[in-house]
Amino acid sequence: GENVEQHPSTLSVQEGDSAVIKCTYSDSASNYFPWYKQELGKRPQLIIDIRSNVGEKKDQRIAVTLNKTAKHFSLHITETQPEDSAVYFCAASSPNTGNQFYFGTGTSLTVIP
Amino acid sequence: SQTIHQWPATLVQPVGSPLSLECTVEGTSNPNLYWYRQAAGRGLQLLFYSVGIGQISSEVPQNLSASRPQDRQFILSSKKLLLSDSGFYLCAWTGGRRFGETQYFGPGTRLLVL
Repeated sequence: GENVEQHPSTLSVQEGDSAVIKCTYSDSASNYFPWYKQELGKRPQLIIDIRSNVGEKKDQRIAVTLNKTAKHFSLHITETQPEDSAVYFCAASSPNTGNQFYFGTGTSLTVIP
Repeated sequence: SQTIHQWPATLVQPVGSPLSLECTVEGTSNPNLYWYRQAAGRGLQLLFYSVGIGQISSEVPQNLSASRPQDRQFILSSKKLLLSDSGFYLCAWTGGRRFGETQYFGPGTRLLVL
């Protein structure tokens, strides 16, 4: 089945700096890659997603890039703010594995004011 | 619009007691439904998923079971809880009509087994 690896596990940045979180996947048939933000004690919330027919997607300060050849995708947060502090999860789904989603192990982001 | 409910929100149970957690989805039909568990400070572990009534796939052998008695209802059960069952239980759904559907999570149930 699919295997998703996520790095780094923890990340601290100064307010206003950029943060980058990277994920790799193993199943070349994976075609949908969502990113979730989970604040302490709350449910994961979808913040951005990308499908395999595009290489980049942007939504205000958040962007995701996808490299299908290398089988990796990344989350970019620019001009970070303290409220960006949370745990971020990447995920992948593939037609080969039915309707399952495979999650990375999470990145704990801390934005220092 | 679609809404997903879970209850109870929190639960404290003794070891060896039974468990029943419920998840319901509104505003859609024939969703794919999922149960995840998240231990404190950890990632998401897929427990069960269902593509239709009575159809359950188990990802991890354990003392938990799942059932889907109605199209938009998903239940997680146990006959005898273990200490290791403590965690944050999240139900999730997708539209199920095609691959690449966005997955949305319910508010979760926080379970503490003592």
